[in-house]
Amino acid sequence: NAGVTQTPKFRVLKTGQSMTLLCAQDMNHEYMYWYRQDPGMGLRLIHYSVGEGTTAKGEVPDGYNVSRLKKQNFLLGLESAAPSQTSVYFCASNLRGLGYTFGSGTRLTVV
Amino acid sequence: GQQLNQSPQSMFIQEGEDVSMNCTSSSIFNTWLWYKQDPGEGPVLLIALYKAGELTSNGRLTAQFGITRKDSFLNISASIPSDVGIYFCAGMNYGGSQGNLIFGKGTKLSVKP
Repeated sequence: NAGVTQTPKFRVLKTGQSMTLLCAQDMNHEYMYWYRQDPGMGLRLIHYSVGEGTTAKGEVPDGYNVSRLKKQNFLLGLESAAPSQTSVYFCASNLRGLGYTFGSGTRLTVV
Repeated sequence: GQQLNQSPQSMFIQEGEDVSMNCTSSSIFNTWLWYKQDPGEGPVLLIALYKAGELTSNGRLTAQFGITRKDSFLNISASIPSDVGIYFCAGMNYGGSQGNLIFGKGTKLSVKP
């Protein structure tokens, strides 16, 4: 099925470990986004990309890095995980600003 | 920065009742979106509004883009158990920065059978 696929779905990290979350979309969307969702906070934008090879900071970018080497993939990296990064991470994509499609999320726990 | 105030934060209603929730913004948007999130899933788009005053329906759901462009509401008629979930409003200024989809904090809907 067409859509946005996130891997992994669950992960537990120790403080200081690093990891990469993968987002893949097969809709040929130009724009991709990473959000985090915390209880009572809604969704907050971490980083986004308006095309292959481009990235930009969102509302809460600190502690994260991203890369968009291929149009269909958007990677979110945590270089040194902290307990404050325990959250549910959502990737989304859209075609020129219309109709965001979200993945099903990655639940990350940092202990 | 821009903020959205979504209310109520939660609702607990009887099956068959109508539901209303709304969002207000401190600044103007040219697009309002309403999403629903089921447990363990990502948000799914319900209704998109692109013009001030626009009233759009999707089955039992009706949403309106406020005249001032600073607010929007969502109504659900004759609620059923599968309406349970978290509803998010989101505002965007299409044509500007492509990262500025601003979300409300959500309205959690629970339905008694």
